[in-house]
Amino acid sequence: GAGVSQSPSNKVTEKGKDVELRCDPISGHTALYWYRQSLGQGLEFLIYFQGNSAPDKSGLPSDRFSAERTGGSVSTLTIQRTQQEDSAVYLCASSLDGSRGEQYFGPGTRLTVT
Amino acid sequence: KNQVEQSPQSLIILEGKNCTLQCNYTVSPFSNLRWYKQDTGRGPVSLTIMTFSENTKSNGRYTATLDADTKQSSLHITASQLSDSASYICVVSAKGGSYIPTFGRGTSLIVHP
Repeated sequence: GAGVSQSPSNKVTEKGKDVELRCDPISGHTALYWYRQSLGQGLEFLIYFQGNSAPDKSGLPSDRFSAERTGGSVSTLTIQRTQQEDSAVYLCASSLDGSRGEQYFGPGTRLTVT
Repeated sequence: KNQVEQSPQSLIILEGKNCTLQCNYTVSPFSNLRWYKQDTGRGPVSLTIMTFSENTKSNGRYTATLDADTKQSSLHITASQLSDSASYICVVSAKGGSYIPTFGRGTSLIVHP
């Protein structure tokens, strides 16, 4: 079946612009996660959704970052007024029920802020 | 604070050789430990999962071990292939509380012909 998909695969934007990153999780997966991976760094947790609610937003680095999930499916991560330090690969993952089961990752969106 | 440390940071080996990657963690109380493989430009893919009662798990040429007493895990790759070149990430989940696992920074493996 279809895995987790993300779009766009690459995004180049100018400093100060807003960007939206999209994640389509595996159908039926109730839990969805956003991570950020900077060059040479480990995965940095951003936000976790269970259904449409976000019980854990602790990883969002600033109020420029926000995310929503609608219909228990698609999620968008929005970065406002992008800065150069926002450049990274943004990975989305989904899991069946938000327990400690396997997370299935998408291919990521590579964001470059110039 | 929950932490996962991996070593070495990077490793270069010749095709056909074996190698072992290490993972030490301080996550408590322990629930499970996964090893993921991340190819360049792709998302991580799970290789193995181990719970407290398991001390070894194999997936083809990949064998993971777990010592829950010393909080150490290793991933052994046998007869390496060029396609094994990737980053290998150790991920540990805790019981109760947060569903967010703790990720290591990964070991970058390069297999040369």
